[in-house]
Amino acid sequence: NAGVTQTPKFRVLKTGQSMTLLCAQDMNHEYMYWYRQDPGMGLRLIHYSVGEGTTAKGEVPDGYNVSRLKKQNFLLGLESAAPSQTSVYFCASSRRDNLNEKLFFGSGTQLSVL
Amino acid sequence: AQKITQTQPGMFVQEKEAVTLDCTYDTSDQSYGLFWYKQPSSGEMIFLIYQGSYDEQNATEGRYSLNFQKARKSANLVISASQLGDSAMYFCAMRESPLMKTSYDKVIFGPGTSLSVIP
Repeated sequence: NAGVTQTPKFRVLKTGQSMTLLCAQDMNHEYMYWYRQDPGMGLRLIHYSVGEGTTAKGEVPDGYNVSRLKKQNFLLGLESAAPSQTSVYFCASSRRDNLNEKLFFGSGTQLSVL
Repeated sequence: AQKITQTQPGMFVQEKEAVTLDCTYDTSDQSYGLFWYKQPSSGEMIFLIYQGSYDEQNATEGRYSLNFQKARKSANLVISASQLGDSAMYFCAMRESPLMKTSYDKVIFGPGTSLSVIP
């Protein structure tokens, strides 16, 4: 069972460079999320998706873009990386269930922007 | 505005004792869900428990229970018989489900509480 897979696990960028983080899930979940985690601030929602082709802004969307062309994949893009985007990025997926909902998380991506 | 509040940045508990981690939330939605996740030093996010807003019974999962007080907008996590392996960060989270369908369901997290279990 692969669950939620994030690639890459680690990346170092220079200011101004671009990159894409890939999240893949094999559970046929409708919902997918991208969070960033910084010390003392918990997980903050960047962007999320409620289905193929549908995305929405979260709490901290500036400087990021997303795409969900296929139901199983959710891509997070940084067009021009900044040091403030140094963080741990988590992807998660879920299906909507009022009775027993659960977010499944990837193992995270450590991104450093120099 | 902060929608999930966890007022205890750090907590200590003696092994085998029970501990309560506080969580309050702010929402005007009628339908919502509340989660607790554990994050050990390894960094993985581990699901502990979920409570739907319409569920009148407190959720329980083994040693974990969620003390849901809807009128107070409180969803505290109770860990019974603490173990050394319970030392970790604990995050409260909420799924918001807007009644007006101009936005979508989303899940937001609180800042977390660091729990240390003392032998």
